[in-house]
This record gives sequence, structure tokens and C-alpha cells, in this order.
Amino acid sequence: DVKVTQSSRYLVKRTGEKVFLECVQDMDHENMFWYRQDPGLGLRLIYFSYDVKMKEKGDIPEGYSVSREKKERFSLILESASTNQTSMYLCASSPIYRSYNEQFFGPGTRLTVL
Amino acid sequence: EDKVVQSPLSLVVHEGDTVTLNCSYEVTNFRSLLWYKQEKKAPTFLFMLTSSGIEKKSGRLSSILDKKELFSILNITATQTGDSAIYLCAVGGGTSYGKLTFGQGTILTVHP
Repeated sequence: DVKVTQSSRYLVKRTGEKVFLECVQDMDHENMFWYRQDPGLGLRLIYFSYDVKMKEKGDIPEGYSVSREKKERFSLILESASTNQTSMYLCASSPIYRSYNEQFFGPGTRLTVL
Repeated sequence: EDKVVQSPLSLVVHEGDTVTLNCSYEVTNFRSLLWYKQEKKAPTFLFMLTSSGIEKKSGRLSSILDKKELFSILNITATQTGDSAIYLCAVGGGTSYGKLTFGQGTILTVHP
């Protein structure tokens, strides 16, 4: 079974703090993705990565950065957290040969910025 | 810009009812349409559709794709309380492999 894990289920931070969200997958997938999920807006893509040290902006990259130093690990960084970044963050991965796009998701991190 | 729209946004039914969830899309270079179920945890994969008119079925759930009219439906018959969840529709296409565009989701609540 594919397993995607995220470092925290719940996180509370203060405005201006630097926040790191970690995602690890154990299936040797090339593609990894970070989404945020808000009521009524669905999942919106923040960043994705096709390979180690590669990253591409998604639909809402402002205020976020990412790091992929190892194939299995994809980190999302909030350089200076703001209250409008309070959300559910979901990580996903997929193998590059699966051209039909199926992604496997982690359990999510619910981030609250006070 | 790729776009996926789901309807209704929320639905409340009683056990035993049949529900139909809708998903319409506008995507460049369509490859696939996927349905996921999300309870209070990771979204789990239900179906992937790539060809028009071929129904995919799993127990009480079924789904079909119409590539001419650019939509898909997800049917759930004889609903149970365990079907209560957010149902997500996503479409793969565009110029980047692996990328999905998601709809807003439909929140389904099934009362006993």
C-alpha cells in the first residue's frame, strides 16, 4: 500500500512565524504535490515537484515556498505565516509513469495561524 | 485556465436514498477524470475515467463520463451513513504530467 505521511495532524502558529510542513512518501514516486483545502473552494495546488530539487508553481504559490532535497520528502514552507494561511494542507504523490494522473494523499495538516 | 465545477455543493439525504453528484469541466488536453472520497482524513481514490460512455462500478457506487458534453456523474444507490463524506472530482490534463485540477467538492450527509 502506498503510504504518504505528514509531520503533524494539527498545528497552531502565530502570525509572522516560519512554518515547516513535512511530507514523506514510501513508494518511490517521482511526483509530489502540496494543496490547501478550504470550504467551498476545494483543493487548490500550491506547488509541485517532478524530481529532486525540481519545483513548479501551482495556482496559488504566493506566500509559500517548497524544498525537495530527497525523492521521498517534500516540504512546504510558510516564510512568515499570516492568518489567511489558516487552512487544511494536503500532500500527495504519484508515479511518473502513471500518465492518467492518479494521486495518493496524506492525512492532511490542519494549520491555524493566530 | 482549467476549471472543474461540482454540483450540488452539499446534499442531505436519508439512508436508502439514491444520489447523483455532478462534475463538469473545461480542461486543455484532457487525460482523465478522477473521483475521490474524503472523510476526516486523506482523500481515497474511487474511480478513474478516461473513455466516454463506459460505466465504472464498485458496489453501490458507479460513475460515467461524457467527453462530448464535458461532464461526469457519480451515483450512489441505497445510501448508508458511512457514505457521508466530501466527494471530490478532479481532472488531469494540461501540459504537465501528473497535475490535477479539483472541483469544490460535494458534501454528502446521510441521516439514519
